[in-house]
Formats: sequence, structure tokens, C-alpha cells
Amino acid sequence: EDKVVQSPLSLVVHEGDTVTLNCSYEVTNFRSLLWYKQEKKAPTFLFMLTSSGIEKKSGRLSSILDKKELFSILNITATQTGDSAVYLCAVLRGGSQGNLIFGKGTKLSVKP
Amino acid sequence: SQTIHQWPATLVQPVGSPLSLECTVEGTSNPNLYWYRQAAGRGLQLLFYSVGIGQISSEVPQNLSASRPQDRQFILSSKKLLLSDSGFYLCAWRGGDRGRIRRNEKLFFGSGTQLSVL
Repeated sequence: EDKVVQSPLSLVVHEGDTVTLNCSYEVTNFRSLLWYKQEKKAPTFLFMLTSSGIEKKSGRLSSILDKKELFSILNITATQTGDSAVYLCAVLRGGSQGNLIFGKGTKLSVKP
Repeated sequence: SQTIHQWPATLVQPVGSPLSLECTVEGTSNPNLYWYRQAAGRGLQLLFYSVGIGQISSEVPQNLSASRPQDRQFILSSKKLLLSDSGFYLCAWRGGDRGRIRRNEKLFFGSGTQLSVL
């Protein structure tokens, strides 16, 4: 059965800390891995990773994929209270439906 | 630009009552449409997806059903709600698998419906 596992499930840090969120997967017909940030309602897209070893970067956030070891990490440097959210990892499967399988998410709380 | 509308935002229903959640997408044609449910501590669970009008696939057996009466309209329904149907429901879309595949891999979400069944 295809699955996506995120760790930790919950994390509390102080402003300025650097955090690393983990996502491992076991999915047949892997197509790409996506990271989303969910603050209150709709998840918003952060990154899509398709190739191993190529870092995607957006401001203080960065992510990389390892297709050999089947995992991805999301790094946030110099965290701010506005980074508090649930971070979701999802894997897109190939095939006609192209469905996303989501992990349970990591709840990040950044304290001032 | 493409937009997705989902309503209502919040819904409180008694057990045994019917349900209808609606989702519409604008600015695109022939999208793939999805209904997800997010229960506390359980992540996003795919309930239904549709690749075209009248085409519905169910991922998990349950008390819910979905319909796609128009190209950009996706409806989630139930004839009789159960307590276990409570949760946060998200509609999502992405481009259909035609043309450049890699442009169509991002999933865009509606603002969600918080359903409480009492």
C-alpha cells in the first residue's frame, strides 16, 4: 500500500531557530513530491520536486528530494511566528488519475 | 487566472440529515477534481476524484457520494450523515493530463468546509 510518512508530527521552536521537516514515502509509480503549508484552511503550494539532489529554494524555505532513499526534507531557517502552520508532504502518483497521497503533516509552532 | 470556490465554509448538521457541498472551478476547462477529508491528526484523505463529467472514482467506501454534473462543478453528498462524517472537507483541482504533464502536477485547494455532525 502506498504511503507517505512525515516526522515529527509536532514541533515547537523559538523564533530564529532552524527546523528540518522530514517526509519519507513508499509509492509505486512515483511522479513528483510536493510540499504544502496549511495555516487555517486551504493548503498553499510551496515546492514541487521531481529530480534527486536539486534544491528548491524560496526565501528562508528550501527543500530537496532523494529518490534513492525515498525521502525529502523541508528546511526553514531563521523561523518566524508567521511560519507556524501544518506542513504537508504529498506524493503524486503516475497513471491516469494522478492522485496525490498526503502525509499526516507536521504541526510547527514558532514561539516569540 | 484560475480560481476555485467551495461552500459553505462551515456547516453544522444533525445525524441522519442530508449533505451537499459544492465546489466550482473557474478559468480552466476539463480539470481533474478531487474531494479530500481532513480529520484531526489523520492528514488529508482522498475521498473521490473525477477526470471528466459524470466520471467519479471512489477511493474509500463510505457514507458519501460525489457527482460531477458539469465540467467545472463537483458536488459531495450524503443521504444520511453519521457522526464519523465530521471533519474538514477540501475540494481541489489540477489540470487534466494533456499537453505538458509537468505543468499540471500542482494541486490547488478550495478554502474548505468545516462540517460538524451532532
